[in-house]
Amino acid sequence: AQTVTQSQPEMSVQEAETVTLSCTYDTSENNYYLFWYKQPPSRQMILVIRQEAYKQQNATENRFSVNFQKAAKSFSLKISDSQLGDTAMYFCAFMKQSTGNQFYFGTGTSLTVIP
Amino acid sequence: DAGVTQSPTHLIKTRGQQVTLRCSPKSGHDTVSWYQQALGQGPQFIFQYYEEEERQRGNFPDRFSGHQFPNYSSELNVNALLLGDSALYLCASSLVFWQTNTEAFFGQGTRLTVV
Repeated sequence: AQTVTQSQPEMSVQEAETVTLSCTYDTSENNYYLFWYKQPPSRQMILVIRQEAYKQQNATENRFSVNFQKAAKSFSLKISDSQLGDTAMYFCAFMKQSTGNQFYFGTGTSLTVIP
Repeated sequence: DAGVTQSPTHLIKTRGQQVTLRCSPKSGHDTVSWYQQALGQGPQFIFQYYEEEERQRGNFPDRFSGHQFPNYSSELNVNALLLGDSALYLCASSLVFWQTNTEAFFGQGTRLTVV
């Protein structure tokens, strides 16, 4: 079974500062993908960043980057230059390559950016 | 492109009743997945439809059933509603469920309240 754990229910950060959200996962799979999704009050899940497990290089998307530690099964998200629009729930998610497009989500971290 | 659309946005039902939720996938997508997101939790996978067949199923009872139409739209049906079925139901669409290199897009969900 696959499990995804987010140990920080709530976090806050000052505008323009940097914040890191933590995520650990457990799997016996070798081929998988990891994701961070953002869910604002509008409820729509929006993809923030994606990491293929076979890639050693950490994924980056503008102000968002990940620290992927495969051996430790850790996948943290760093948000640089935080903006008010970053306020949302953030979910870490796992997908097995063998089952395709079936996500296992963590319980989420509520991030508040303070002006 | 309208993206993934779900209807209705909110719904109140009485315990024991039946409910049908609807999802239209993003243009060009042929796979629809359904998730249940209880309050304060991450989404949990219910099932996935491709070519009008259920391809994968999560750990949900048979009271949860679905359908996919030739135009790729989908319905989620829940029979004999329980109070514990109260949740946000999310639909996600993607292209060809086994191709994990395609992005999944989520709708804004249907908030179901069972009283």
